[in-house]
Amino acid sequence: AQSVAQPEDQVNVAEGNPLTVKCTYSVSGNPYLFWYVQYPNRGLQFLLKYITGDNLVKGSYGFEAEFNKSQTSFHLKKPSALVSDSALYFCAVSGMDSNYQLIWGAGTKLIIKP
Amino acid sequence: EAGVAQSPRYKIIEKRQSVAFWCNPISGHATLYWYQQILGQGPKLLIQFQNNGVVDDSQLPKDRFSAERLKGVDSTLKIQPAKLEDSAVYLCASSLRGAEGGTEAFFGQGTRLTVV
Repeated sequence: AQSVAQPEDQVNVAEGNPLTVKCTYSVSGNPYLFWYVQYPNRGLQFLLKYITGDNLVKGSYGFEAEFNKSQTSFHLKKPSALVSDSALYFCAVSGMDSNYQLIWGAGTKLIIKP
Repeated sequence: EAGVAQSPRYKIIEKRQSVAFWCNPISGHATLYWYQQILGQGPKLLIQFQNNGVVDDSQLPKDRFSAERLKGVDSTLKIQPAKLEDSAVYLCASSLRGAEGGTEAFFGQGTRLTVV
């Protein structure tokens, strides 16, 4: 069955340091992978997606993610964290297993400390 | 470009009462989704429309929840009667095409429902 795991409930990073938010997935066939961000009392905002092609995907606000097929991972990264990056981050996957419905991770709370 | 509009932003009702939420998707977006997000969890799909037809409503509790998308544009989600466990944020999203094309969805700000 299709699934997504975000192994860390919370990630703490000092401002200016690189950040990584982890996501692993399980899906048959080729996955479509997404990252969304949710700020307090706001809806989800699309950050980036992997459909096919280059394994390194660049998205909004300086974020990028690397698709690793052998490790079935799609970790979200940013070279230099900002306090304003503090939010809840969700990874989602879709594929043939779920008739392309999005399967969501539980979310990772990212806290950037000044 | 205007985003997905939802109303109301907040609603408090007593259990066994009814409530309705409204969503206006981004213009031209054929696919509309209703999600339920309970605090601390990822969104759970309730129903997906393609134009005004239902694509997936397998997780919609049909004994109490109903949704419609008249004329393939805006949509309403209704709960009748509400239960305490329905307390959640209800998110509406739309996308240009269905998810099979790897199309991203754009979300509204959500309606926070509290059932007391």
